[in-house]
Amino acid sequence: QKEVEQNSGPLSVPEGAIASLNCTYSDRGSQSFFWYRQYSGKSPELIMFIYSNGDKEDGRFTAQLNKASQYVSLLIRDSQPSDSATYLCAGEGAQKLVFGQGTRLTINP
Amino acid sequence: GAVVSQHPSWVICKSGTSVKIECRSLDFQATTMFWYRQFPKQSLMLMATSNEGSKATYEQGVEKDKFLINHASLTLSTLTVTSAHPEDSSFYICSASPGVGNDQPQHFGDGTRLSIL
Repeated sequence: QKEVEQNSGPLSVPEGAIASLNCTYSDRGSQSFFWYRQYSGKSPELIMFIYSNGDKEDGRFTAQLNKASQYVSLLIRDSQPSDSATYLCAGEGAQKLVFGQGTRLTINP
Repeated sequence: GAVVSQHPSWVICKSGTSVKIECRSLDFQATTMFWYRQFPKQSLMLMATSNEGSKATYEQGVEKDKFLINHASLTLSTLTVTSAHPEDSSFYICSASPGVGNDQPQHFGDGTRLSIL
């Protein structure tokens, strides 16, 4: 069974610090990986996606992919209270997304 | 770009009612759309893949006669929850992608919160 694993948290980070979110996946056939942010009661919104080994940066966000270790991470620099949400990691294979259970992140002012 | 619209956003109805949820891609065409369900404090679970002009593909454990999917055009897919019961109460979310490929992520609609009394 294809699985994506995340630590459900909660993860508490002080404002201005770096938040590090991690994800592992079991399906070596997965090509692309996605990070979505979901506020309570809302649908997920795309933060970043990555499909090549290494780092990908977009503003305060950096996604990291290590296919050999089957590991994906998301770093949020200069964390803001508005970053408080559940972060969902998803792997894609054959156009289907498999989601992790999500990590609840709280940024403390 | 890549906006997905979902309607209605909230439905409350009596047990036994059938409920239709619409998912539209507003600025792109989508031959494939996806329907997810999310229970409180759980992650998204894929229910089915909606294919334009052909039958939907359902995930294991999802009743195709209970959750009817129609994808009649390149911009519209509908999910009908037939004879809904309280256990069908959930957050239903659709998604679509502008294309196929590693750099074409899925974008989600705003979701439909369904409450069956």
